[in-house]
Amino acid sequence: EPEVTQTPSHQVTQMGQEVILRCVPISNHLYFYWYRQILGQKVEFLVSFYNNEISEKSEIFDDQFSVERPDGSNFTLKIRSTKLEDSAMYFCASNPGLADIQYFGAGTRLSVL
Amino acid sequence: SQQGEEDPQALSIQEGENATMNCSYKTSINNLQWYRQNSGRGLVHLILIRSNEREKHSGRLRVTLDTSKKSSSLLITASRAADTASYFCATETGANNLFFGTGTRLTVIP
Repeated sequence: EPEVTQTPSHQVTQMGQEVILRCVPISNHLYFYWYRQILGQKVEFLVSFYNNEISEKSEIFDDQFSVERPDGSNFTLKIRSTKLEDSAMYFCASNPGLADIQYFGAGTRLSVL
Repeated sequence: SQQGEEDPQALSIQEGENATMNCSYKTSINNLQWYRQNSGRGLVHLILIRSNEREKHSGRLRVTLDTSKKSSSLLITASRAADTASYFCATETGANNLFFGTGTRLTVIP
């Protein structure tokens, strides 16, 4: 069964460093998302992406964040200068169309030291 | 905020019993989805119910939706130890992004 894959599973970085989290959505899906979950808290929407551009973003998704689909398969989330409070599990998701089931990857745990 | 709130926050039952979790939300929705998350792991989609539907079944899962009360419930029948996880409702309001609730942590005791 097709699945969303995320790499790495765990990323450790120093405060102020740039990180890139990678995702390979399901191949025939058109909509892509990033969510995050701070330990012990609820899952929060960050950004949605369609047709090579951001369609929605939350207040969390400030200028430090960016997303890109550099080729036909990868979907990346970049954090330019990480802060301690960016430590969280980051989930990528995709779906084939509007209001369809979103399929989530296993997540990348980001630890900012 | 259209984020859902689950009730109860935690639920502990014996294997074989039924587990019921409730979700309330605040705004109009296109659909409501239930997800499961094992500790520290990813989100697994369980069931999607659209705003014009009142009830859906999938195996041992039964979901109801009452749009007049802005609430949904997830029933897991004949629970198993392997059902131990956190369960989240998530609402989709037309912007195609999901707003998750706070979750119910279910523990099924063998």
